[in-house]
Amino acid sequence: AQTVTQSQPEMSVQEAETVTLSCTYDTSESDYYLFWYKQPPSRQMILVIRQEAYKQQNATENRFSVNFQKAAKSFSLKISDSQLGDAAMYFCAYRSSGAGSYQLTFGKGTKLSVIP
Amino acid sequence: DTGVSQDPRHKITKRGQNVTFRCDPISEHNRLYWYRQTLGQGPEFLTYFQNEAQLEKSRLLSDRFSAERPKGSFSTLEIQRTEQGDSAMYLCASSLVISGNTQYFGPGTRLTVL
Repeated sequence: AQTVTQSQPEMSVQEAETVTLSCTYDTSESDYYLFWYKQPPSRQMILVIRQEAYKQQNATENRFSVNFQKAAKSFSLKISDSQLGDAAMYFCAYRSSGAGSYQLTFGKGTKLSVIP
Repeated sequence: DTGVSQDPRHKITKRGQNVTFRCDPISEHNRLYWYRQTLGQGPEFLTYFQNEAQLEKSRLLSDRFSAERPKGSFSTLEIQRTEQGDSAMYLCASSLVISGNTQYFGPGTRLTVL
């Protein structure tokens, strides 16, 4: 079974600075998808960024980018120019690309605080 | 596109009672998922539907839990004889096959069992 580990329960960053959230995963599969989701307090989970394992290029979405190291099974999220609205729980998630396997496996999350 | 909606947002019940939650997916999304999230944890997969067919169920889905998606649109999740351990946030997500199955989540139903 796949597992996802987020080793940083809490992180903080000064507004306008850059922060990196870590995620590692364990799988025997060669093709899969990785995601970062953001869950603000008392609000719904929002997709931040998605990466296909077969793509070598790291995904980017505006101020959000990932560092995908397939051999190391590492998938970190970098948030540049941090804003107060970035404060939230961030979850890393894995999904197999195999037919019939559509469930997401989540890590325990990292709580990000943004300091004004 | 109005997003995934869930009803109710909060439910408080007494142990032993039955509860039912509803999820309305994004229009035309053919896959619908249920997850459970307890405090301090990431969501855990419960079950998923493709159209009206329930294709996968987690070991977490005990026989007290039942989910339906009768017409391939909205879904219901029923918990019978609730226990205090059922207290959690129940999340629904939906996806569209042709868009890579990226899952979009609703706001969740927070269940408290007294």
